[in-house]
Amino acid sequence: ETGVTQSPTHLIKTRGQQVTLRCSSQSGHNTVSWYQQALGQGPQFIFQYYREEENGRGNFPPRFSGLQFPNYSSELNVNALELDDSALYLCASSLGIGQGARGYTFGSGTRLTVV
Amino acid sequence: AQSVTQLGSHVSVSEGALVLLRCNYSSSVPPYLFWYVQYPNQGLQLLLKYTTGATLVKGINGFEAEFKKSETSFHLTKPSAHMSDAAEYFCAVSGPPGGSYIPTFGRGTSLIVHP
Repeated sequence: ETGVTQSPTHLIKTRGQQVTLRCSSQSGHNTVSWYQQALGQGPQFIFQYYREEENGRGNFPPRFSGLQFPNYSSELNVNALELDDSALYLCASSLGIGQGARGYTFGSGTRLTVV
Repeated sequence: AQSVTQLGSHVSVSEGALVLLRCNYSSSVPPYLFWYVQYPNQGLQLLLKYTTGATLVKGINGFEAEFKKSETSFHLTKPSAHMSDAAEYFCAVSGPPGGSYIPTFGRGTSLIVHP
């Protein structure tokens, strides 16, 4: 069974630009969550998608948006990039919302640097 | 809102010594609790989880944790540290049923293992 894959692995963008990060969930998983992990910090919840609908959102501004596709893969879009957006972005998948109690399967992340 | 506090941003042990990483949670009812490990430049890997039942939980790589409701704690231990255990460890909380299953992570504890 394949795990969670994220692309790209590294990215450098200029302040004010827009970026799209991609995530393929583990086979059979229909729920995808996105986290932002700043250097030296724990992951902070951005939002979660379940069956193509947003199921919850953390304390992030609207310029952070997402999508989930029928095959359960997902995108995270960030507009008007700021220097503080520099972080490791983690995608995690699970089977169903309630199955999050079993723990998530994480990808290796996308390292975004904003200059 | 649920939260976890990890005591100590860094823990240093000698190879072969006991590992103890501390985590306290804040929740009005017993939640679901997790420990994840993150190796450099990688995503998070689930070590172990507590949902219901036995309060002593065994995980991968020889780690275990004990849920203590009276102390609102879920400390992670390993009898004998290996060099390969050097990593960042995150405690997380979610649930319980009827609440949000989206995990909230602590700030992490960096485990340093000396030869």
